[in-house]
Amino acid sequence: AQSVAQPEDQVNVAEGNPLTVKCTYSVSGNPYLFWYVQYPNRGLQFLLKYITGDNLVKGSYGFEAEFNKSQTSFHLKKPSALVSDSALYFCAVRDAGGATNKLIFGTGTLLAVQP
Amino acid sequence: DTGVSQDPRHKITKRGQNVTFRCDPISEHNRLYWYRQTLGQGPEFLTYFQNEAQLEKSRLLSDRFSAERPKGSFSTLEIQRTEQGDSAMYLCASSLIRGETQYFGPGTRLLVL
Repeated sequence: AQSVAQPEDQVNVAEGNPLTVKCTYSVSGNPYLFWYVQYPNRGLQFLLKYITGDNLVKGSYGFEAEFNKSQTSFHLKKPSALVSDSALYFCAVRDAGGATNKLIFGTGTLLAVQP
Repeated sequence: DTGVSQDPRHKITKRGQNVTFRCDPISEHNRLYWYRQTLGQGPEFLTYFQNEAQLEKSRLLSDRFSAERPKGSFSTLEIQRTEQGDSAMYLCASSLIRGETQYFGPGTRLLVL
């Protein structure tokens, strides 16, 4: 069965410092991996995805993520955090070879960037 | 703006009443998905359409829930005889048939009293 784990409920970082939000996954085949961000009372906004190719994926707003097959991880990173990055971040996975198109989401990580 | 839209944004209803939500996907997106998100959780898949065909339904979608996409454009999600446990954010997403990225709407927040 497919699953996603986000081991940290909350990540605190000072503005200007680098940030990492962790995600590990489990799928039976090759994964399609996604990061979404959610602001209060809003829907999910797409940040970036890994389908195939380079393990380092660049996305919106200066975010990037590194796909690590051996560690089954897809951590979200940003070199310098902004207060406006404070939000709820979700990692999601889809089995590339599966018959379903549904995304399986993690429980989310709240990112708090202090000024 | 040509993003996914949902209506209403908020709905308060009494237990036992029926409610219907509407989703308008991004134009030309053939695939449409419904998810449910409860407080402190990630979205959970409910159902998926390709054009007008409903191709997959989650076990979460009890017989009180029904979804349609009659002409392969907008979709509706109806909940009959609402229960307090139905209180959640209902999210709609759409994607291209050959695309992998699902784009989400702003959601409909349902509160059942």
